[in-house]
Amino acid sequence: GDSVTQMEGPVTLSEEAFLTINCTYTATGYPSLFWYVQYPGEGLQLLLKATKADDKGSNKGFEATYRKETTSFHLEKGSVQVSDSAVYFCALPGGGTSYGKLTFGQGTILTVHP
Amino acid sequence: GAGVSQSPRYKVAKRGQDVALRCDPISGHVSLFWYQQALGQGPEFLTYFQNEAQLDKSGLPSDRFFAERPEGSVSTLKIQRTQQEDSAVYLCASSFSAGVGKNIQYFGAGTRLSVL
Repeated sequence: GDSVTQMEGPVTLSEEAFLTINCTYTATGYPSLFWYVQYPGEGLQLLLKATKADDKGSNKGFEATYRKETTSFHLEKGSVQVSDSAVYFCALPGGGTSYGKLTFGQGTILTVHP
Repeated sequence: GAGVSQSPRYKVAKRGQDVALRCDPISGHVSLFWYQQALGQGPEFLTYFQNEAQLDKSGLPSDRFFAERPEGSVSTLKIQRTQQEDSAVYLCASSFSAGVGKNIQYFGAGTRLSVL
């Protein structure tokens, strides 16, 4: 079945450091891919998405490229801020359904220090 | 409302007690999902509604879990005879339409259930 594997955390960085959070997936076909972010005390929010191979999703300085060859969708940001501290989830819709129930990775906790 | 609203935000239950968790989706959203998020894990699918029809309940962990959406808007997740392993955050999400890759799911802040 569909699955998502994220790099283990937590990740601790200093402000302005470069961020990479790895995500690989197993799926039938070529689904859309999502990154969701969960700030403390808040619900999951869609951060970015890519709908087909070689697409690059971007938002708030974050980027992720849909790599079919390596079945990956790694999240990157060139210069993190304290306000980026949150939990990040890679996700793909489908799970064998037509309505797109989401399969999530286990999440990566990011802490950014001033 | 402006977003998905869940209530209560926190619920403490004694083992064996029944609980009901409420979800108010974004107005006009056809699809509604429930997920369970254990501590330190990603959310896991529980059940899906399209309007008032429950089309998939394959993720419900036992027959103690029951969900409904009688008028195609507000949904309630009910857990009977709660057990300690039911302790988790229960997330509700809604989307405007159904369709793989088309539906952006908007999440509520969740209900944190603690069973003592």
